[in-house]
Amino acid sequence: DTGVSQDPRHKITKRGQNVTFRCDPISEHNRLYWYRQTLGQGPEFLTYFQNEAQLEKSRLLSDRFSAERPKGSFSTLEIQRTEQGDSAMYLCASSQWHNRGTNEKLFFGSGTQLSVL
Amino acid sequence: DAKTTQPNSMESNEEEPVHLPCNHSTISGTDYIHWYRQLPSQGPEYVIHGLTSNVNNRMASLAIAEDRKSSTLILHRATLRDAAVYYCILSGSAGGTSYGKLTFGQGTILTVHP
Repeated sequence: DTGVSQDPRHKITKRGQNVTFRCDPISEHNRLYWYRQTLGQGPEFLTYFQNEAQLEKSRLLSDRFSAERPKGSFSTLEIQRTEQGDSAMYLCASSQWHNRGTNEKLFFGSGTQLSVL
Repeated sequence: DAKTTQPNSMESNEEEPVHLPCNHSTISGTDYIHWYRQLPSQGPEYVIHGLTSNVNNRMASLAIAEDRKSSTLILHRATLRDAAVYYCILSGSAGGTSYGKLTFGQGTILTVHP
């Protein structure tokens, strides 16, 4: 078990460019989450997948953001036409959810730090 | 989402116990109480969770008030590696949303002095 892996760790881009981040969850985990964290704040939920299905998206997620999890394993988060306000840490987390209505424990990656110049 | 209230910061000395409080007066019957912590330059790390009864694990203990309107995370012997931001979070499946959809506040910054 290598934990949740995110790539790249850091990304610097110019305003207006597109960026894509990758997340590899813990292999047997069926749920995958994306969160965003700005300096001094707690993480904010963006979206989550159960297997390959995207089940919920936050209202924070503008049309410029898209996430996929095509085979129910790794996920990508793309931001189109980046803006300076997109600068943040993007965190991925995974969990093994059992259909028994029980609680989930999230395992987070170390995040991708995005800086938009 | 039900809200939690935590002190902005707390300090402790190494090898002493630390009690981190959390108020959640609007908690609903199906809300779990989670604690995560975040070390510098890392993602959050699960610490412990509970529903009604007190819980213990290798990292910490969670004491839950009888009315469930408050809880306390207990680190029995703080080490320098425990210096982090500690988040108290409620999560429930009301409305069919996921238990993993967590609403983080600003947390408590714990400083541990050698």
